[in-house]
Amino acid sequence: GAGVSQSPSNKVTEKGKDVELRCDPISGHTALYWYRQSLGQGLEFLIYFQGNSAPDKSGLPSDRFSAERTGGSVSTLTIQRTQQEDSAVYLCASSATGGDGNTIYFGEGSWLTVV
Amino acid sequence: AQTVTQSQPEMSVQEAETVTLSCTYDTSESDYYLFWYKQPPSRQMILVIRQEAYKQQNATENRFSVNFQKAAKSFSLKISDSQLGDAAMYFCAYRSAWGGSEKLVFGKGTKLTVNP
Repeated sequence: GAGVSQSPSNKVTEKGKDVELRCDPISGHTALYWYRQSLGQGLEFLIYFQGNSAPDKSGLPSDRFSAERTGGSVSTLTIQRTQQEDSAVYLCASSATGGDGNTIYFGEGSWLTVV
Repeated sequence: AQTVTQSQPEMSVQEAETVTLSCTYDTSESDYYLFWYKQPPSRQMILVIRQEAYKQQNATENRFSVNFQKAAKSFSLKISDSQLGDAAMYFCAYRSAWGGSEKLVFGKGTKLTVNP
């Protein structure tokens, strides 16, 4: 597609349920990022994928959070046993390569509400 | 670890006037990239301007320009001839130029209001 595509756009889930958020990066982009943005806050780094390298998971807040990237393209962020503090916008981004200042393009985000 | 600080949670400007948003950062690296992103209510993060640390010349994109002071670790954004469409959250971000640390580190943002 022309841009980074995320789904669902909005998700309301009950506390304790698992959720999956999907990201389809720009075609050909090897680098993929997940960020979390809580209400009124800045962006918190979660995880970074670059090609076939091991992902940088240093930002994942707990072991309830995991992400995978299949075939070097689509990525899924999974949150298990959701808690109310997980409510936030989850932003996905991609770039052509990493570490050389290439522009990082963001999707419109998935707004997660845990009730 | 690198940190980015935006000391102005909110700013306002009159339409057609000029406004400057502040950003400071902390790093021990000598080579890096700095960015300003705009986030309107639609949530879409849009790149406004970027600066390579090794370049002394300040970046400019139409009405947007930066004042990059490397020694002071300061990276402010100037918006000239402000327009109603400039109203948004503005985020300053840092990215290392070295491999192995690819992520953007963001400040907490500045909410810009443009008054007609």
